Amino acid sequence: GAGVSQTPSNKVTEKGKYVELRCDPISGHTALYWYRQSLGQGPEFLIYFQGTGAADDSGLPNDRFFAVRPEGSVSTLKIQRTERGDSAVYLCASSLSGNGADTQYFGPGTRLTVL
Amino acid sequence: QKEVEQNSGPLSVPEGAIASLNCTYSDRGSQSFFWYRQYSGKSPELIMSIYSNGDKEDGRFTAQLNKASQYVSLLIRDSQPSDSATYLCAVTREGRRALTFGSGTRLQVQP
Repeated sequence: GAGVSQTPSNKVTEKGKYVELRCDPISGHTALYWYRQSLGQGPEFLIYFQGTGAADDSGLPNDRFFAVRPEGSVSTLKIQRTERGDSAVYLCASSLSGNGADTQYFGPGTRLTVL
Repeated sequence: QKEVEQNSGPLSVPEGAIASLNCTYSDRGSQSFFWYRQYSGKSPELIMSIYSNGDKEDGRFTAQLNKASQYVSLLIRDSQPSDSATYLCAVTREGRRALTFGSGTRLQVQP
């Protein structure tokens, strides 16, 4: 079956603009995660959904970041008033359940560049 | 102190040799441990997971966990140039599903 997909693959925007990044998890996976990865660093956790609800949003850096998963499948990460420091690769992952031992499968990522 | 620490490398080994990658973690509540491989410009892919003390082998890969020393390692036997990548150590802790990653170790296998 298909893996995790993310769109767009690249997004260039100007400082202050609003962006939406989309993630389509593996079919049947109830858990969905957003991470972001800066150059030379490991992925950094942002938010985790179990079904439709955000079970852990402790990684969101500030209130400019918000994510939704209204039907328990596709998720959208929304960033308001983008800043140059938001430039990174945003990775989405999904797992079968929310068990901490579950394998998380990563999508190809969206490279966000804020000019 | 970072929660998960790895030597950034690069670690350079000749083809056919054993590559040894190390990781330490600070949270004694960490329960599950993962090694991901990431090729340049690609997303992480799972190589091994380990949950209890000792060794776990899968083909050319062996993961080792020592909870008393808060240490996880990955051995790659018969290293191939195609193993050249960044290897990320990640952990989850009790009550938290999110992965906490180290910064990764870059491995270069010289033909």
